[in-house]
Amino acid sequence: EADIYQTPRYLVIGTGKKITLECSQTMGHDKMYWYQQDPGMELHLIHYSYGVNSTEKGDLSSESTVSRIRTEHFPLTLESARPSHTSQYLCASSEWEAIDEQFFGPGTRLTVL
Amino acid sequence: AQTVTQSQPEMSVQEAETVTLSCTYDTSESDYYLFWYKQPPSRQMILVIRQEAYKQQNATENRFSVNFQKAAKSFSLKISDSQLGDAAMYFCAYNFGNEKLTFGTGTRLTIIP
Repeated sequence: EADIYQTPRYLVIGTGKKITLECSQTMGHDKMYWYQQDPGMELHLIHYSYGVNSTEKGDLSSESTVSRIRTEHFPLTLESARPSHTSQYLCASSEWEAIDEQFFGPGTRLTVL
Repeated sequence: AQTVTQSQPEMSVQEAETVTLSCTYDTSESDYYLFWYKQPPSRQMILVIRQEAYKQQNATENRFSVNFQKAAKSFSLKISDSQLGDAAMYFCAYNFGNEKLTFGTGTRLTIIP
């Protein structure tokens, strides 16, 4: 099992609430990623980071924000959750080279009512 | 922009038989990296196998091997002696330089006992 953790695993929340999805890795990886994935569908990159204080938007536009204050921690925040945010959110990390594999967390399944 | 196409949304195979999952990609680059990731039901996504485009020899990892046809921009995954634990979504992915992974839409593989 990869040393990358996500909490919570499941979250059901009402519209308008602020939420933070946690992601931590103990491998010392500089690169971290957030993907959005509907069940059985492809992954869409929504945020990534190359290291502390580095954050970039991914290919899929998202209303979420991220921060990278510590190497091991890459939380994702939704200021005001909406039903359209219902999805699975996967966090991943990797070492620096393009050949390096990405290690994925178990995901957070978010449902916004 | 690079694209990755998996034309088989679903595949099934009899246990102990061999199955091949297809993947094609579009790129103008000559040196890049290709990956197959496996996402079992309710479990973390893991790397199955990877290939460097400048290497002509096809990658092999135990029962998993690839057929890399650079000119045709094809990267298929062969699973030999299929086992029940091979049931999963399989994603083909592409990476050039130090950029982000581009994933295909996935193939759901079912193993028939």
